[in-house]
Amino acid sequence: KAGVTQTPRYLIKTRGQQVTLSCSPISGHRSVSWYQQTPGQGLQFLFEYFSETQRNKGNFPGRFSGRQFSNSRSEMNVSTLELGDSALYLCASCAGTGFSGNTIYFGEGSWLTVV
Amino acid sequence: AQKITQTQPGMFVQEKEAVTLDCTYDTSDQSYGLFWYKQPSSGEMIFLIYQGSYDEQNATEGRYSLNFQKARKSANLVISASQLGDSAMYFCAMRETPRGSNYKLTFGKGTLLTVNP
Repeated sequence: KAGVTQTPRYLIKTRGQQVTLSCSPISGHRSVSWYQQTPGQGLQFLFEYFSETQRNKGNFPGRFSGRQFSNSRSEMNVSTLELGDSALYLCASCAGTGFSGNTIYFGEGSWLTVV
Repeated sequence: AQKITQTQPGMFVQEKEAVTLDCTYDTSDQSYGLFWYKQPSSGEMIFLIYQGSYDEQNATEGRYSLNFQKARKSANLVISASQLGDSAMYFCAMRETPRGSNYKLTFGKGTLLTVNP
């Protein structure tokens, strides 16, 4: 069974540009969450999608957005990049319902560097 | 208020010995879930073990066990027979209202475990 797949793994962007990160959850999982990890702030929740609907949102500016497609794949977008957006972005996949919803799996992450 | 506290920024253990990583949490919910993840330098967050607040027995997964003390609000991870490959960052996380539509995890700051040969 394939795990959570995130692309790209590494990318470098310039301030002011925008970036799109992709996440394919485990087959059958309907919930996808995104987290930002930085040395200073640690792991912070960005947002969670379930069946194409955003159910939860963290405390991030509107430059951070996301969406989920009908096949449960998700993308997150950051517009007008700032140096402080440099981070590891992690995607988490969960069944979303029932007992199996208690296990949340993460991908390998996308390392974003803003220069 | 900090919801997940990991008081050990770094821990050292000899290969083949057991080690306990501490985690305390704060929540007013009766229903919640506690997770431990391992993060090697590559960045991937690897799921280790889960404990539900209503689970009467401590969770175990191979060499990993979770010492759950609900009254003390602690959920310590015990790794038995440490291996060199266990060297990594370990995160404790909590999901509140797991029976509801809330899959947000709150993480602690992590503990860097180093296994010495």
